[in-house]
Amino acid sequence: DGGITQSPKYLFRKEGQNVTLSCEQNLNHDAMYWYRQDPGQGLRLIYYSQIVNDFQKGDIAEGYSVSREKKESFPLTVTSAQKNPTAFYLCASSPGLEQFFGPGTRLTVL
Amino acid sequence: RKEVEQDPGPFNVPEGATVAFNCTYSNSASQSFFWYRQDCRKEPKLLMSVYSSGNEDGRFTAQLNRASQYISLLIRDSKLSDSATYLCAVYNQGGKLIFGQGTELSVKP
Repeated sequence: DGGITQSPKYLFRKEGQNVTLSCEQNLNHDAMYWYRQDPGQGLRLIYYSQIVNDFQKGDIAEGYSVSREKKESFPLTVTSAQKNPTAFYLCASSPGLEQFFGPGTRLTVL
Repeated sequence: RKEVEQDPGPFNVPEGATVAFNCTYSNSASQSFFWYRQDCRKEPKLLMSVYSSGNEDGRFTAQLNRASQYISLLIRDSKLSDSATYLCAVYNQGGKLIFGQGTELSVKP
């Protein structure tokens, strides 16, 4: 069953904790992306990776980190330096121009 | 001016109506445009890609107006199930996909 999976679906974090969001795809896509969506707003790009072992900062990378050790996986760590981390986090992958999204992780900081 | 702008709505229409959304973009060099559909608390799903002047898929038609720098999405014979938020997305000069804030559509019986 091909697709993009994200886990967990819901995540609660205490202030000061780092958390890692998982994103896996078995579509053999080279490019992967992380976006953040806040209520009533569009998606904002956090980090992206065009190939394994390489990634670039997006528009709002501060307080986040990523790795791309495998083609299938692109985990996102939300660090304690991120001032306002409560949001809906979406991972996407792309074979070219069109991007396809995973189901998202809803992060809440308590 | 934002790179991609949409009327947030909401658009409230009766079943069977025709509704159109516009999305303006600031980068005149943009070549690739997309419409996504997003249901409440779900991920965006790709609805249509627009690479030339337009694209049609059943009740949905997307058009591109390069001179005025906007893309439109027309939905004919609206169904209750069309209720969702519609996001447009445009590639900018840096190769990043920029999303509008979305237009909310509510189709009523």
